[in-house]
Amino acid sequence: QVQLQESGPGLVKPSETLSLTCTVSNGSISNFYWTWIRQSPGKSLQWIAYVQDNGRTDNNPALKNRVTISLDTSKKEFSLRLMSVTAADTAVYYCARVRVIRGFSRIDFWGPGALVTVSS
Amino acid sequence: DIQMTQSPSSLSASVGDRVTITCRAIQRINTYLNWYRQKPGKAPQLLIYGASNLHSEVPSRFSGSGSGTEFTLTITSLQPDDSATYYCQQSYNFPWTFGQGTKVEI
Repeated sequence: QVQLQESGPGLVKPSETLSLTCTVSNGSISNFYWTWIRQSPGKSLQWIAYVQDNGRTDNNPALKNRVTISLDTSKKEFSLRLMSVTAADTAVYYCARVRVIRGFSRIDFWGPGALVTVSS
Repeated sequence: DIQMTQSPSSLSASVGDRVTITCRAIQRINTYLNWYRQKPGKAPQLLIYGASNLHSEVPSRFSGSGSGTEFTLTITSLQPDDSATYYCQQSYNFPWTFGQGTKVEI
């Protein structure tokens, strides 16, 4: 069964860049989308961005072009960079796999999540 | 963005009860609707995709229905393990959006 694991700093200063990496194990990178989703304390889920196995990406306009997502197929890793962070970016960040069949997408495997706090 | 609204926001039920959660989309989304369960301190888990398809290894007491703008998640014979928050999510278009969640207490 595929497993995902987030890694990266748990504390980021305001105005700096949040960087996280997700390592995929026990499964293929090919034929899936790979995505980041976050959850602020006590709140619902917010989709951040995805990257396809061919490198195509899309991200949430609500994050105002602060997001970069990338995929390294040789390392079976994908990464998130979120620039110019503020306290509002404090959240648990999840990496996840998206399965797309006949146009229907679902997020079928999730990492355990990484808490990132934005504070000076 | 497609706004998703769940009702109720929370509910309390007993073991063995039948529970129904509703999710409404602000515009028609065909059956591009997924349901997730999130236990406290854990990542969400996929329950239902395409509005009514049970994800692998999900118990058959979970079922989903609906199309267009209104969807339901039903749990028959509620179990202690079902104490969690449930989220709907539309995959009709980007940005994908989630409902605000329904907390089920047992």
